[in-house]
Amino acid sequence: DTGVSQDPRHKITKRGQNVTFRCDPISEHNRLYWYRQTLGQGPEFLTYFQNEAQLEKSRLLSDRFSAERPKGSFSTLEIQRTEQGDSAMYLCASSSESGGAWGELFFGEGSRLTVL
Amino acid sequence: GENVEQHPSTLSVQEGDSAVIKCTYSDSASNYFPWYKQELGKRPQLIIDIRSNVGEKKDQRIAVTLNKTAKHFSLHITETQPEDSAVYFCAADWGYSTLTFGKGTMLLVSP
Repeated sequence: DTGVSQDPRHKITKRGQNVTFRCDPISEHNRLYWYRQTLGQGPEFLTYFQNEAQLEKSRLLSDRFSAERPKGSFSTLEIQRTEQGDSAMYLCASSSESGGAWGELFFGEGSRLTVL
Repeated sequence: GENVEQHPSTLSVQEGDSAVIKCTYSDSASNYFPWYKQELGKRPQLIIDIRSNVGEKKDQRIAVTLNKTAKHFSLHITETQPEDSAVYFCAADWGYSTLTFGKGTMLLVSP
């Protein structure tokens, strides 16, 4: 499968614990996005990387959230001191710059976080 | 930032009928408007998109119209089939290569 892969698919944690999600984009895609989706809502933008550079970050994103893409390939999203309100599906997506200013976003299956 | 409103939140139609989903956006600088389909438990997938230099785009049974003056765009599905049942999200671009999504429309097509 050469699509976007995310790990883990499911994570249950206790409030206050740290969690980390990993995303492996489609290999030739240089753009990578993190979105969060809760039940009955559309994907909410979190952050955007072009290669290894984090170019955009949601103003609504708490300081407890941090994302990296150290070598311009895979990315990690870490949530520190988790809260129950962090429970959601965390979606990663990638796209190719060759598509011009706008290319199709290819989403992963998501990582579902449940904070108890 | 961009704000995208989507209506209706749910839509039930009979197989063969047409379905229309409408979205409005707030940022007049937006130029790209994709539509994504998300089946239950699956990832969102792009079904059609439109850029601001055209007013309409069609792909088989699916069409999208854009009115930049009024800042709204719509998805039209003709001859609906049960496999069209899913949640549909509209989106608009803002900032640097980012998308703001609407809250989604659950479409149910009954045989």
